Amino acid sequence: AQSVSQHNHHVILSEAASLELGCNYSYGGTVNLFWYVQYPGQHLQLLLKYFSGDPLVKGIKGFEAEFIKSKFSFNLRKPSVQWSDTAEYFCAVNAVDSSYKLIFGSGTRLLVRP
Amino acid sequence: AAGVIQSPRHLIKEKRETATLKCYPIPRHDTVYWYQQGPGQDPQFLISFYEKMQSDKGSIPDRFSAQQFSDYHSELNMSSLELGDSALYFCASSPQERGGIYEQFFGPGTRLTVL
Repeated sequence: AQSVSQHNHHVILSEAASLELGCNYSYGGTVNLFWYVQYPGQHLQLLLKYFSGDPLVKGIKGFEAEFIKSKFSFNLRKPSVQWSDTAEYFCAVNAVDSSYKLIFGSGTRLLVRP
Repeated sequence: AAGVIQSPRHLIKEKRETATLKCYPIPRHDTVYWYQQGPGQDPQFLISFYEKMQSDKGSIPDRFSAQQFSDYHSELNMSSLELGDSALYFCASSPQERGGIYEQFFGPGTRLTVL
């Protein structure tokens, strides 16, 4: 069975600080990897995704993530956060040999102080 | 651009009542997924449909049923509601073709409160 772990449940940063959110997954086969963001009171929005190719993927709003296959990790990064990045961030995976249902991590709640 | 539409956005029910949640996927998307997100929880997969057939089933109670119609919209029917069913129910759609890999686009969710 697939599972996703996000190590940081709550992160508090000041504006302009750098961000790195950890995500590890457990699955023996090929997976697709995603980061979704959920702003307060809103629905899930895709930040970025990895299917294949270059393991360093760039998403919207200056976010990027690196897939390290040997570590089963897909960490999210942003060099300089803004107050508007305050949200909850979910890492998710789906298996290529499944119905593509998403398995989510427990989420990381990010608070950026002005 | 058209997005996933869910109705109603908010629903309040009493215990033991029934509820029907509707999801209208993005045009030309033939796959629908339902997720349940409890308070402070991550979204949990319930059920999915591809071309009007159930394609996968997750931790969905037997009291719940769902289907996808000929116009690809989907309905989640929930009976004998319990307090623990209070959650945000998301629908997502994707233009999944057999063997394809596509992202899922999420709707705004239906917030169900069971009193």
